[in-house]
Amino acid sequence: NAGVTQTPKFRVLKTGQSMTLLCAQDMNHEYMYWYRQDPGMGLRLIHYSVGEGTTAKGEVPDGYNVSRLKKQNFLLGLESAAPSQTSVYFCASSKFYGARWRLAFGSGTRLTVV
Amino acid sequence: AQKITQTQPGMFVQEKEAVTLDCTYDTSDQSYGLFWYKQPSSGEMIFLIYQGSYDEQNATEGRYSLNFQKARKSANLVISASQLGDSAMYFCAMRETPSQGGSEKLVFGKGTKLTVNP
Repeated sequence: NAGVTQTPKFRVLKTGQSMTLLCAQDMNHEYMYWYRQDPGMGLRLIHYSVGEGTTAKGEVPDGYNVSRLKKQNFLLGLESAAPSQTSVYFCASSKFYGARWRLAFGSGTRLTVV
Repeated sequence: AQKITQTQPGMFVQEKEAVTLDCTYDTSDQSYGLFWYKQPSSGEMIFLIYQGSYDEQNATEGRYSLNFQKARKSANLVISASQLGDSAMYFCAMRETPSQGGSEKLVFGKGTKLTVNP
């Protein structure tokens, strides 16, 4: 199994450009999340989804949109990129397995907005 | 209000000694989960250990153990016999499952940078 796959791994955008980050998981996980990681801030939740066709706002949703049209994919969109969105973005997915709960992360996307 | 608090921005430990990384949390839910992740300089997030709120015993995974004190709302990570490869950022996180409705969420602390000295 590939686990959680994020594409692209690196991207440089100009202010005002748009882009979509793709997250794909092959573990049949119900929940998926998008986080951003900035120095000294830890991981902050942008948006998340508790199932196909559902999305919800996290701590820092402004400037981002998401879609979960298929259970295995969770897309994060930036409609008009700003330098403040320069960050490392992590996707994660999770599911309960009996009494255990499994959370898996992608390898991250480093985005620079100039 | 911050849900997960890690009060130690940085910690130092001598190789082969034990170290405790602090984590306190805030929730009114009865059902929740706590876990720790390690992030080395390469950037990936590595799962270390998980503790459910109803688990009666503290979780252990090899050299990692979680000192879970429910009444104090603390979930400290203990690393025994530190190794040079343990040098990394460590994140405490909480999964909330609201009983009053709302969606399950996953929130992280700001992390503790652990440095293991030879």
